[in-house]
Amino acid sequence: GAGVSQTPSNKVTEKGKYVELRCDPISGHTALYWYRQSLGQGPEFLIYFQGTGAADDSGLPNDRFFAVRPEGSVSTLKIQRTERGDSAVYLCASSVRPRGGTGELFFGEGSRLTVL
Amino acid sequence: GESVGLHLPTLSVQEGDNSIINCAYSNSASDYFIWYKQESGKGPQFIIDIRSNMDKRQGQRVTVLLNKTVKHLSLQIAATQPGDSAVYFCAENRGGGSNYKLTFGKGTLLTVNP
Repeated sequence: GAGVSQTPSNKVTEKGKYVELRCDPISGHTALYWYRQSLGQGPEFLIYFQGTGAADDSGLPNDRFFAVRPEGSVSTLKIQRTERGDSAVYLCASSVRPRGGTGELFFGEGSRLTVL
Repeated sequence: GESVGLHLPTLSVQEGDNSIINCAYSNSASDYFIWYKQESGKGPQFIIDIRSNMDKRQGQRVTVLLNKTVKHLSLQIAATQPGDSAVYFCAENRGGGSNYKLTFGKGTLLTVNP
């Protein structure tokens, strides 16, 4: 399809394990975003990439969270030593350029992470 | 409308009625506002946006109203249909150097009864 693709759609892991979540943005979109959505809440900003570089990672909760986008397309969100509080839906979005341009973010369906 | 509580605000309407979903935003410096629709198990979907230099914008069956004086945003859906049932989020962008970052509200659950 032509939309933002996220894998896995569901991930169940044990406390303390390492997790990787993948995002494949819409082709040609230079801006990529990760948001986290807890149950009953709106999405919360985690990190923004413009091209390969993380232009703003101020939303990452702590140093257990890290994200990369080595070739300016696919991005991976990495969570070390997972905790039960990390359980949430992790949403990826992309846009043609930063919001200051078109303004429209296209979201994927999310990766639901459950930490037991 | 938006709530600071743990429970999602809900709105229940009959099919064919008009719906109004409200949102209070917090930052007077915000210059761009968006409404998103999120169906169960899916990501948010863009509905309509409005910039702070406007007070009204219309789309297909939807209208967004912005009142900057009281920092209030509303989404009006005309002739609501069962397919409109979803959680609706308002989001604001605080402009300036962080014009890529959206701050979402808690959302309102809209249920359309046939």
